[in-house]
Amino acid sequence: DAGVTQSPTHLIKTRGQQVTLRCSPKSGHDTVSWYQQALGQGPQFIFQYYEEEERQRGNFPDRFSGHQFPNYSSELNVNALLLGDSALYLCASSLAGTGKNSPLHFGNGTRLTVT
Amino acid sequence: AQSVAQPEDQVNVAEGNPLTVKCTYSVSGNPYLFWYVQYPNRGLQFLLKYITGDNLVKGSYGFEAEFNKSQTSFHLKKPSALVSDSALYFCAVRDWGAAGNKLTFGGGTRVLVKP
Repeated sequence: DAGVTQSPTHLIKTRGQQVTLRCSPKSGHDTVSWYQQALGQGPQFIFQYYEEEERQRGNFPDRFSGHQFPNYSSELNVNALLLGDSALYLCASSLAGTGKNSPLHFGNGTRLTVT
Repeated sequence: AQSVAQPEDQVNVAEGNPLTVKCTYSVSGNPYLFWYVQYPNRGLQFLLKYITGDNLVKGSYGFEAEFNKSQTSFHLKKPSALVSDSALYFCAVRDWGAAGNKLTFGGGTRVLVKP
């Protein structure tokens, strides 16, 4: 049973560029959330996708956008990269309707470095 | 807004001794609390959760947590720590809104278990 998979594992970009990160949820899950974890900090919620729509969003600028595909996989796009966007980006999946008892399952993340 | 706080940046303990990682929470309504562990360059692994019921929650790898409503705390405990327990630990609260179910994390506590 495949868990949450993210690609790529590492990425180096230059300020002003754009980046796309990818996530495949755990088998059977239909909801994908994205988190940003800066060095030495806890993860911060970016947004959540369900039924191919953004359902909830954290305090992140519009430079951060996403997409969910019919197979439930998801992409996180960041435009006009800033040095402060350097972080570990975590994808988490869950199954809608399972309620508050279901924990989120996290991937190993994509380490983004902006130079 | 819901929040959790982890007052200790780092906890040092000798192998075989009890381990406690502290967490306090602030929520409106019933708290849905979680503990996750993160090993270097990895995602977050679910340890345990409190939704309702017994105040002592049993989790993975011998960990347990004690929910205390009067002190608004949810401390993580392990009776006998192992060197392999050295990692970063995060407490989180689930924001159970109609539009989604994001997690709000604390800043993390680094645990170092010395042989």
